[in-house]
Amino acid sequence: AQKITQTQPGMFVQEKEAVTLDCTYDTSDPSYGLFWYKQPSSGEMIFLIYQGSYDQQNATEGRYSLNFQKARKSANLVISASQLGDSAMYFCAMRTDSWGKLQFGAGTQVVVTP
Amino acid sequence: NAGVTQTPKFQVLKTGQSMTLQCAQDMNHEYMSWYRQDPGMGLRLIHYSVGAGITDQGEVPNGYNVSRSTTEDFPLRLLSAAPSQTSVYFCASSYKNTEAFFGQGTRLTVV
Repeated sequence: AQKITQTQPGMFVQEKEAVTLDCTYDTSDPSYGLFWYKQPSSGEMIFLIYQGSYDQQNATEGRYSLNFQKARKSANLVISASQLGDSAMYFCAMRTDSWGKLQFGAGTQVVVTP
Repeated sequence: NAGVTQTPKFQVLKTGQSMTLQCAQDMNHEYMSWYRQDPGMGLRLIHYSVGAGITDQGEVPNGYNVSRSTTEDFPLRLLSAAPSQTSVYFCASSYKNTEAFFGQGTRLTVV
């Protein structure tokens, strides 16, 4: 069975510091994709970053990077230089079909403090 | 760019009532899906479609129906609302093997 686990229900981080959000996954499919989404208090789901299972390099998008460790089945999100606007819920998700079915973790609530 | 549009944004239903949550996308995406979000559980897939006329069940399909008559629209029908269906509902669309774009969500309360 496929599964996504986010073990950190919530965390505080100081402005300008880096924060790592943990995500582990379990699948027997060799082809899969891993996504991170941000959900601010307004409720919308914002795509942040994507890593394919065959990608050789870790994905980066601006201040977001994905620390992909395939053997350990982990796909941690690193946010560098945190800003107050980064306060939100963050979801890790996995796609294992060739279309778009996503399985989500329970999320991590991040609060950035001044 | 409208993207994915969901209506309504908020809805209160009485137990036993039926209703349809609307979802429309203007990006010509083949894949559309419905999720529900409950506290502490992330998003769970209700139903999905890989194209007009093709739908299938996700993880939590009971109590919901879908149809896909056009590429653009993917409505979700609650047949007989129950308090357990109180949740936030998200519609999403994507091309094959790309990121999903989500609507703004519908907050549904069943009393």
